[in-house]
Amino acid sequence: QVQLQASGPGLVKPSQTLSLTCTVSGDSISSGRYYWSWVRQHPGKGLEWIGYIYYSGSTYYNPSLKSRLSISVHTSENQFSLALRSVTAADTAVYYCARVITSTHFFDSWGQGTLVTVSS
Amino acid sequence: YVLTQSPSVSVAPGQTASITCEGNNIGRKSLHWYQQKPGQAPVLVVYDDDDRPSGIPERFSGSNSGNTATLTISRVEAGDEADYYCQVWDYSSDHDVVFGGGTKLTVL
Repeated sequence: QVQLQASGPGLVKPSQTLSLTCTVSGDSISSGRYYWSWVRQHPGKGLEWIGYIYYSGSTYYNPSLKSRLSISVHTSENQFSLALRSVTAADTAVYYCARVITSTHFFDSWGQGTLVTVSS
Repeated sequence: YVLTQSPSVSVAPGQTASITCEGNNIGRKSLHWYQQKPGQAPVLVVYDDDDRPSGIPERFSGSNSGNTATLTISRVEAGDEADYYCQVWDYSSDHDVVFGGGTKLTVL
């Protein structure tokens, strides 16, 4: 049973970089069977896809975030990371990491989510 | 690509709930559904239009044709009260993943 755990600062100052790491257990990122993704949810709102990465390092980003976004993979630690630059209050959200089936791109396993607040 | 869901659906226990998701030629895409209860992460309940992950009750079923996909929940229970989101992969763009805005299912 795969488990995903997101971790990182819960408070980030405006204009700084939001950085989160997702640790995967029960599966190997290097297996090549899945993409590894970030999804966020603004308070009281719906789900927003951020982007995902393949074990090889290939990335796919939401066009609306692409200019500020980097997703990286660390196969030796079985982790992948999110960096979102120049954050504003509009980036305050619960951030989820999730596993994505490569064939038809559905999210079959999710981490519990971590709230990140952007505030001075 | 845009997926449109009604904001809310209400149903009495034991009845059938139908939650729709509309998009241009959505029937040509693989459509997936997630259930999210307050304070919890989403859970996949239907994938590839009409398949259920293991552990999801048979009461949950899906269909997808034309411009409308539907999640049907039969014999609704109080525990089904949640937000439901549809999702597709827009392969016509650069691997974009799109979620619908979500439907709040209220069990009366």
